[in-house]
Amino acid sequence: DSGVTQTPKHLITATGQRVTLRCSPRSGDLSVYWYQQSLDQGLQFLIQYYNGEERAKGNILERFSAQQFPDLHSELNLSSLELGDSALYFCASSVAAGGRDTQYFGPGTRLTVL
Amino acid sequence: GQNIDQPTEMTATEGAIVQINCTYQTSGFNGLFWYQQHAGEAPTFLSYNVLDGLEEKGRFSSFLSRSKGYSYLLLKELQMKDSASYLCAVAFTGGGNKLTFGTGTQLKVEL
Repeated sequence: DSGVTQTPKHLITATGQRVTLRCSPRSGDLSVYWYQQSLDQGLQFLIQYYNGEERAKGNILERFSAQQFPDLHSELNLSSLELGDSALYFCASSVAAGGRDTQYFGPGTRLTVL
Repeated sequence: GQNIDQPTEMTATEGAIVQINCTYQTSGFNGLFWYQQHAGEAPTFLSYNVLDGLEEKGRFSSFLSRSKGYSYLLLKELQMKDSASYLCAVAFTGGGNKLTFGTGTQLKVEL
């Protein structure tokens, strides 16, 4: 158990819908990261927040957005869902925002878009 | 791009030693991580290298050569539970702390 929590564990929805994934970082960690893992693409970085501010952005679609709240939990919003958005979505956290900070991953949310 | 290359699959025997290689582009390198991931589960941290040389942690060791853009993960005294995907991930400067992952090496440990 890494100490990072994610809800829900599973999510099944239809194309065109909108969902919200939630992440709570380890106690004391200020950075939160979101990754997408699909079968054909491996783990892809989406976005990073540090202490409430966006710090880095990957290949995140415009239909996706995220935020980090004052209590440091984060939410990833996915809208206008498409079949190709079906994937495992992982949240990770680290103490700070440096390249040498180890990231610890949560258990993930499995999103299925039908 | 910042490609991370590692073999797709490897097979080894219980009790043996296996080495999983990883190569990456050296420009902007700021640290290399190895993670283990069982199917459908979260990646779990194994090791971190930022300086050249070998880091040892029990049955697992990781090596880094920054000039060659090369790392390997060494697993000794293999156990059946070591069957998993091993992910090489690199942090590059200028990108916050995002990690660029390889596609993973699926290790199968056989009797």
